[in-house]
Amino acid sequence: NAGVTQTPKFRILKIGQSMTLQCAQDMNHNYMYWYRQDPGMGLKLIYYSVGAGITDKGEVPNGYNVSRSTTEDFPLRLELAAPSQTSVYFCASRFGQGVYEQYFGPGTRLTVT
Amino acid sequence: AQSVSQHNHHVILSEAASLELGCNYSYGGTVNLFWYVQYPGQHLQLLLKYFSGDPLVKGIKGFEAEFIKSKFSFNLRKPSVQWSDTAEYFCAAWNQAGTALIFGKGTTLSVSS
Repeated sequence: NAGVTQTPKFRILKIGQSMTLQCAQDMNHNYMYWYRQDPGMGLKLIYYSVGAGITDKGEVPNGYNVSRSTTEDFPLRLELAAPSQTSVYFCASRFGQGVYEQYFGPGTRLTVT
Repeated sequence: AQSVSQHNHHVILSEAASLELGCNYSYGGTVNLFWYVQYPGQHLQLLLKYFSGDPLVKGIKGFEAEFIKSKFSFNLRKPSVQWSDTAEYFCAAWNQAGTALIFGKGTTLSVSS
């Protein structure tokens, strides 16, 4: 299994541009998550999904959108990028609720200038 | 609001010193607790987890943590640190709905050889 994969690894955007961060998992996990990590702030939840077709907002959803058309993929869309969205973005997944571990992808480092 | 607090922002130790990193969570009831480690430039990896049973949990690489319900704490310990333990450490807990992880802000551990 490849686990949780993310593309791209790095990206530089200009203010106002849009992009999609890709996330995929091959473990047949129902739950998928997007976090952003800023220095000294830990990880903040942006959006999550408990299954295909179901998404919900996390702590910091503003400026982002998600979709979950398949179990495997959970892309994160940034519309009208702003400098405040400069961060490292991590995708994660787990099988379900209960004693299941959450697995993380390698991250995407995004800079908005 | 539910929260996870880590008391130490940056800890500096010499090799062979003992380590204890504090973690407190804000809510009662059933809790599932985790410690993750992030080595420089890498993604998060699970060190250990507590779901139920023995409150002293052993993880990988010689780490352990003790769940003390009366103190709402889940401190991470290691008797003798190594240079390779230099990393950022995150305490986390499932939210009460069990749908997403709440992270502390992280503790940076620097170990000098």
